[in-house]
Amino acid sequence: NAGVTQTPKFQVLKTGQSMTLQCAQDMNHEYMSWYRQDPGMGLRLIHYSVGAGITDQGEVPNGYNVSRSTTEDFPLRLLSAAPSQTSVYFCASWENRDPYEQYFGPGTRLTVT
Amino acid sequence: AQSVSQHNHHVILSEAASLELGCNYSYGGTVNLFWYVQYPGQHLQLLLKYFSGDPLVKGIKGFEAEFIKSKFSFNLRKPSVQWSDTAEYFCAVRGSSASKIIFGSGTRLSIRP
Repeated sequence: NAGVTQTPKFQVLKTGQSMTLQCAQDMNHEYMSWYRQDPGMGLRLIHYSVGAGITDQGEVPNGYNVSRSTTEDFPLRLLSAAPSQTSVYFCASWENRDPYEQYFGPGTRLTVT
Repeated sequence: AQSVSQHNHHVILSEAASLELGCNYSYGGTVNLFWYVQYPGQHLQLLLKYFSGDPLVKGIKGFEAEFIKSKFSFNLRKPSVQWSDTAEYFCAVRGSSASKIIFGSGTRLSIRP
């Protein structure tokens, strides 16, 4: 199993550009989440999904869109990048039953200039 | 709504010192609690978790945590730290009826050899 994969690993955008961060998992997990990690602020939940076709907002959803057309994929779209979105983005997947462990991808480091 | 507070932002210890990292959560019902660790340049990985039963939970690498319901706390402990414990530690909470896991702001642990 590859686990949770994310692409790209690094990305630089100009203000106003849009892009999609890709996330895929091969563990057949129903639940997937997107977090952003910023120094001193920990991981903040952007959006999450409890299954194909079902998504919901987390703590900091503004400026981001998600969709979940398949169990495997959960892309995160930045509609119009802003410098405040400079961050490291992590995707995670998990099953809502024991052991409830979230499996994290390697992250995407995004810089918006 | 769920929330998590980690009051220690950066802890510096010498090798063999004892460790205790604080975590307090806010949620009105039954919770599941987690500690994750992120070693430099690596993914987040699960250290330990609490669901029910014995409030003293043992995890990997000699870590343990105690759930104190009356204090809404889930502090992480280790009797004797090693240089290899240098990492960032995150506490997380999931309300038992919730579909999302919320993280605290993290505590950076630096160990002096």
